[in-house]
Amino acid sequence: KAGVTQTPRYLIKTRGQQVTLSCSPISGHRSVSWYQQTPGQGLQFLFEYFSETQRNKGNFPGRFSGRQFSNSRSEMNVSTLELGDSALYLCASSPTAGNTEAFFGQGTRLTVV
Amino acid sequence: KQEVTQIPAALSVPEGENLVLNCSFTDSAIYNLQWFRQDPGKGLTSLLLIQSSQREQTSGRLNASLDKSSGRSTLYIAASQPGDSATYLCAVVVYGGSQGNLIFGKGTKLSVKP
Repeated sequence: KAGVTQTPRYLIKTRGQQVTLSCSPISGHRSVSWYQQTPGQGLQFLFEYFSETQRNKGNFPGRFSGRQFSNSRSEMNVSTLELGDSALYLCASSPTAGNTEAFFGQGTRLTVV
Repeated sequence: KQEVTQIPAALSVPEGENLVLNCSFTDSAIYNLQWFRQDPGKGLTSLLLIQSSQREQTSGRLNASLDKSSGRSTLYIAASQPGDSATYLCAVVVYGGSQGNLIFGKGTKLSVKP
């Protein structure tokens, strides 16, 4: 059974640009959550999607957005990139929303220069 | 607001030693607690999930305990090996809100010396 797949693995972008990251959850999983990991702040929650609906959103500016498709694949978008957006972005997949075990992908390393 | 703390932040032990990693949380209203391992630059690997009604879970050389009333969990690693070197993260599972379903500690960076 394939795990959580995140693409691309690495990205280098310039300040002011926008970026789209993709996450394919484990087959049959319908909940996808996104996290930002930085050395200083650790893992911070961005948002959660379940059945194409955003269920929760973390305390990030509106430049961070996401969506989920009918096949449960999810994308997150960051517009007007800032240097501080450089981080490892992790996607977690769960069978349903709420208190079920989460499985993470390998992450996308975003570097903003 | 739920806060998760992991002590120590870093730990170095010789191979073969048994060790305990600690995790504490401020609000006992959790559903589950999950332990993860993260290798440098990689994603998180789920190690153990403890349901709120359980006291402990075991997988191979790993044993995790949960005491909701005191807001504590421990991860016990028996007979440590160099391959166990990684950062270990605990996360409490809550339901919804701006903190998300999983609220993480900052992790314990473990180094096992041959």
